[in-house]
Amino acid sequence: DGGITQSPKYLFRKEGQNVTLSCEQNLNHDAMYWYRQDPGQGLRLIYYSQIVNDFQKGDIAEGYSVSREKKESFPLTVTSAQKNPTAFYLCASSTPRLAPHNEQFFGPGTRLTVL
Amino acid sequence: DQQVKQNSPSLSVQEGRISILNCDYTNSMFDYFLWYKKYPAEGPTFLISISSIKDKNEDGRFTVFLNKSAKHLSLHIVPSQPGDSAVYFCAASAGNYGQNFVFGPGTRLSVLP
Repeated sequence: DGGITQSPKYLFRKEGQNVTLSCEQNLNHDAMYWYRQDPGQGLRLIYYSQIVNDFQKGDIAEGYSVSREKKESFPLTVTSAQKNPTAFYLCASSTPRLAPHNEQFFGPGTRLTVL
Repeated sequence: DQQVKQNSPSLSVQEGRISILNCDYTNSMFDYFLWYKKYPAEGPTFLISISSIKDKNEDGRFTVFLNKSAKHLSLHIVPSQPGDSAVYFCAASAGNYGQNFVFGPGTRLSVLP
C-alpha cells in the first residue's frame, strides 16, 4: 500500500540530546514537509523540500535540521538548540504534477517527549 | 498573528443534525482552501477543498462554502455521524503549493449519539 510512514510513534529523549525522526513515503511525491503540532495550535511548518537535495526553512526552523538525499526519505533532526522540543511531529508529502494545488498526505505522526 | 483562524475550539452536535465548522482568514492572496480531519495520535486526512473561483464544493455529506468578500469559509456536515467526531483543520494556500499552506488551530467536533 502506498503511504507515508513515520517512526517511531512515541519517542523519549533526555534534554540536551539530538534526536532524528524518520519519514518515508512510497507515493513517488516530489515534495515533503515537516510540521509540528502543539495543543491549541494549528500545524506549523518546520522545513519543506520540493526536490531531492534541496530544502527550505519553514516558519519555525530554528533548532531543527533536515536532509533530502533520497526522494522517499526526509528525516528531521531535533537538536539540543530547540527550546521546546516536546510536541507531535507530522510529516507530509505532495506532488504538483497533477494540479497546481494538491493536498498534502500526512503520516501518522511521532510524539516526542523530552525529559 | 494568525492568518487562518478557527474561533471555535470545540463544537458538540447531536447525531443526525448538521455540523457547521467555521474558518476565517486574513490574507487576501489565499486562493485555495482545504479541510482536514484528524483523529487523536494520527495524521490529518484530507477531506475536501475549494478554489477561490468557486463559492461551494460538495462531496457526499460534506459541503464547503466560501465567502471571499468576508474572507470566510465553512464546512457543513449533514447528517452528522459519531464517526465524524475528530479535530477539523482549515488550511489555506496562496499561489504555489506547499510552502504557503497555513493551517488554522482546529475545531474539535463531538457528535453525540
